[in-house]
Amino acid sequence: EAGVAQSPRYKIIEKRQSVAFWCNPISGHATLYWYQQILGQGPKLLIQFQNNGVVDDSQLPKDRFSAERLKGVDSTLKIQPAKLEDSAVYLCASSLGVRVMNTEAFFGQGTRLTVV
Amino acid sequence: GESVGLHLPTLSVQEGDNSIINCAYSNSASDYFIWYKQESGKGPQFIIDIRSNMDKRQGQRVTVLLNKTVKHLSLQIAATQPGDSAVYFCAARNYGQNFVFGPGTRLSVLP
Repeated sequence: EAGVAQSPRYKIIEKRQSVAFWCNPISGHATLYWYQQILGQGPKLLIQFQNNGVVDDSQLPKDRFSAERLKGVDSTLKIQPAKLEDSAVYLCASSLGVRVMNTEAFFGQGTRLTVV
Repeated sequence: GESVGLHLPTLSVQEGDNSIINCAYSNSASDYFIWYKQESGKGPQFIIDIRSNMDKRQGQRVTVLLNKTVKHLSLQIAATQPGDSAVYFCAARNYGQNFVFGPGTRLSVLP
């Protein structure tokens, strides 16, 4: 079974530039998550999709971050404009569904973003 | 909401010894818990899970204990090996909601 695919693996941009990350979840997984993981910390949820609808985006800085999952499959996360404090690893994860018991989230390898 | 914390940010153990990593959560409505292992440069990887109607679950060399009275979770690794060196996260979930992760414990296995 193919895992969660993310690209790119690494990205270096200057502050105030824009950047986009792409994620393809495991086939059949209805729920997709984007997490931000700052160095030395646990992953923090940015946004959660159930199919192509947003379930939770309460911690997404909406003035600069946006995400979409138009066809309920793959997803993109965008930052515009980037700030130095956005430097982190951006993890995508997917699961069968939030209302399914005993279903863990499977993670991709992440995109390491460095803002200089 | 939920918050998850760990008792120790780092833990060093001798190869062959048992490791115990602890985690505390705040929301008594959390019904599902997962331990993840994250190696350098990789995403978190599932180790073991436990539902709130259980207090113990065992896997291969790993055991998770859940104490709902004090909202405490622990991961025990038997006969720790060099390949166990990683950062370990506990995550808690309320039914129908998302996972909240703790800050992680870095486990170092000494030869």
